Amino acid sequence: DGGITQSPKYLFRKEGQNVTLSCEQNLNHDAMYWYRQDPGQGLRLIYYSQIVNDFQKGDIAEGYSVSREKKESFPLTVTSAQKNPTAFYLCASSPQTGGKNTEAFFGQGTRLTVV
Amino acid sequence: GQNIDQPTEMTATEGAIVQINCTYQTSGFNGLFWYQQHAGEAPTFLSYNVLDGLEEKGRFSSFLSRSKGYSYLLLKELQMKDSASYLCAACHASGGSYIPTFGRGTSLIVHP
Repeated sequence: DGGITQSPKYLFRKEGQNVTLSCEQNLNHDAMYWYRQDPGQGLRLIYYSQIVNDFQKGDIAEGYSVSREKKESFPLTVTSAQKNPTAFYLCASSPQTGGKNTEAFFGQGTRLTVV
Repeated sequence: GQNIDQPTEMTATEGAIVQINCTYQTSGFNGLFWYQQHAGEAPTFLSYNVLDGLEEKGRFSSFLSRSKGYSYLLLKELQMKDSASYLCAACHASGGSYIPTFGRGTSLIVHP
């Protein structure tokens, strides 16, 4: 079955450690996104990528880094520079061919808790 | 910049109709999406509007007015399972990319 997979679902890290969240899709989508969601909040864009080896900062990129070495994969690293990393992280992909085909398909999310 | 506004919370009775409004300001508008999100889960697609008017899909309908920067999601014959957060997202085109910007979400509580 085609889909977008995030792992792990729950992740605990000590303060000051970098952590990488995995996102893989087999939908052959060009665009991929990372969003952060805090309790009672909407989704805020961290980074997005339209094509392999290219990515752009979103609204809250500080303290995060990404790579897009393969079309299928868009990992997100939460660095120690991120002041408040505890949140629910959602990865999404989109065909990006315009119109309805800009619909975002979401993974199940990773809940990161930093202690 | 992009700005999306929707009410924080709404309550309704099982079997009733509820309308969730969304206003947006965006350049390079490329359509308006509605998603449903249950607590701790991923958002799931409900509807897409790019032209003015009403799109109906079963119990759910969505309306768009581009001149007013306004959309609404209409839920009919409410069921308890409709209790969820409803996210409005305006998609804009920028540098060849299409980027959805999400509102804060409207938490809908359906009670018996």
